[in-house]
Amino acid sequence: DTGVSQDPRHKITKRGQNVTFRCDPISEHNRLYWYRQTLGQGPEFLTYFQNEAQLEKSRLLSDRFSAERPKGSFSTLEIQRTEQGDSAMYLCASSVTGAAETQYFGPGTRLLVL
Amino acid sequence: AQKVTQAQTEISVVEKEDVTLDCVYETRDTTYYLFWYKQPPSGELVFLIRRNSFDEQNEISGRYSWNFQKSTSSFNFTITASQVVDSAVYFCALGNTGGFKTIFGAGTRLFVKA
Repeated sequence: DTGVSQDPRHKITKRGQNVTFRCDPISEHNRLYWYRQTLGQGPEFLTYFQNEAQLEKSRLLSDRFSAERPKGSFSTLEIQRTEQGDSAMYLCASSVTGAAETQYFGPGTRLLVL
Repeated sequence: AQKVTQAQTEISVVEKEDVTLDCVYETRDTTYYLFWYKQPPSGELVFLIRRNSFDEQNEISGRYSWNFQKSTSSFNFTITASQVVDSAVYFCALGNTGGFKTIFGAGTRLFVKA
């Protein structure tokens, strides 16, 4: 059983450009989460999906951010008009619905906006 | 509001020493979950343990042990006979019963010197 995978692992972009990240969850996991982690901090929740439905979005997720999970499998996170403050590690996690869910994390995509 | 506090920013020990990482949480929920994750230099968050609020039994897994005390809202993590490979950032996290919103502490960076 493979774990959560994310692509790309690293992304360097110029301010104002759009970027898109992909996350492939563990195959039987119906829930998928996106987090952002800046240096010296713990991950901060951005959004989550149950199957293809986006059920919760953090206030951290500005209008420039959009996430999709079109077929309830992989998900994409797009950042439009990137800003230097978007530089962070973007983490994806997945879980199975249940009374005691544990989220399993991918390796993350490290974004640097110049 | 939910909050997780890891007051120790960095801890440095010599190999074979025991070390305890502190975690204090705040929540108004009566049912909740507590987690510890390890983040080695590679960046991927590795799940270590989950505890639900009704189970205050301490747990031991090899060199790792966890002490959950509801009365003091603490969920501390002890590594016995630390090893260099234990060097990482350790995060304590609090999850709700729906499982979708996990709140992380800022992490404790552990250095184990040979």
